Amino acid sequence: QLQLQESGPGLVKPSETLSLTCTVFGGSISSTSHYWGWVRQPPGKGLEWIGSMFYTGRTDYNPSLKSRVSISVDTSKNQFSLKVRSVTAADTAVYYCARLSGTDGDAAFDIWGQGVMVTVSS
Amino acid sequence: QSVLTQPPSVSGAPGQRVTISCTGSGSNIGAGYPVHWYQQFPGTAPKLLIYDNSNRPSGVPDRFSGSRSGTSASLAISGLQAEDEADYYCQSYDYSLSGFWVFGGGTKLTVL
Repeated sequence: QLQLQESGPGLVKPSETLSLTCTVFGGSISSTSHYWGWVRQPPGKGLEWIGSMFYTGRTDYNPSLKSRVSISVDTSKNQFSLKVRSVTAADTAVYYCARLSGTDGDAAFDIWGQGVMVTVSS
Repeated sequence: QSVLTQPPSVSGAPGQRVTISCTGSGSNIGAGYPVHWYQQFPGTAPKLLIYDNSNRPSGVPDRFSGSRSGTSASLAISGLQAEDEADYYCQSYDYSLSGFWVFGGGTKLTVL
């Protein structure tokens, strides 16, 4: 059973960089059938797609965040990572990593990590 | 404001049938991209409930069903149970500058 687990600091100062890692257990991140992505959820609000990547390094980002976000992969560790630069209080949220199954427009987020709460505060 | 529009809340009594709508546009649902639905309980990660408009992953009761027509989609829950009280989100793909994978704003289902 494939599982995902997020890790990273729960508190980030304003203007600094938020960094999170997602480790894939029970399966390979180099799967040719899946994308891997990040979704966040501010307290009391809905879900927002941040970005996704394919194991080859191809990435796609939400246009509203594209200038501040980057996703990278480390296939040797079966991990992918998220960086959000110049954070503000508006970036406070639960951050989830997830697997996408399907091709581009058909893809659904079928497996999720448990999520990690990140607070932006001085 | 979400690209996909859902009612903020719906409610129903045990045993009843409720539907949750998800309205998009010509650049997402109307373009033929499938709609997926997720169920989320407080403090937990979302769970895939319906994929490709109307398919249920293994383990999801057949009380849950989905459909898509034109620029909209619907999630129906029949034989409502107290354990169905949760937040529900629709998701699709959008080829415009709004982004690629997009979610609805979510609907809170209350079982009366």
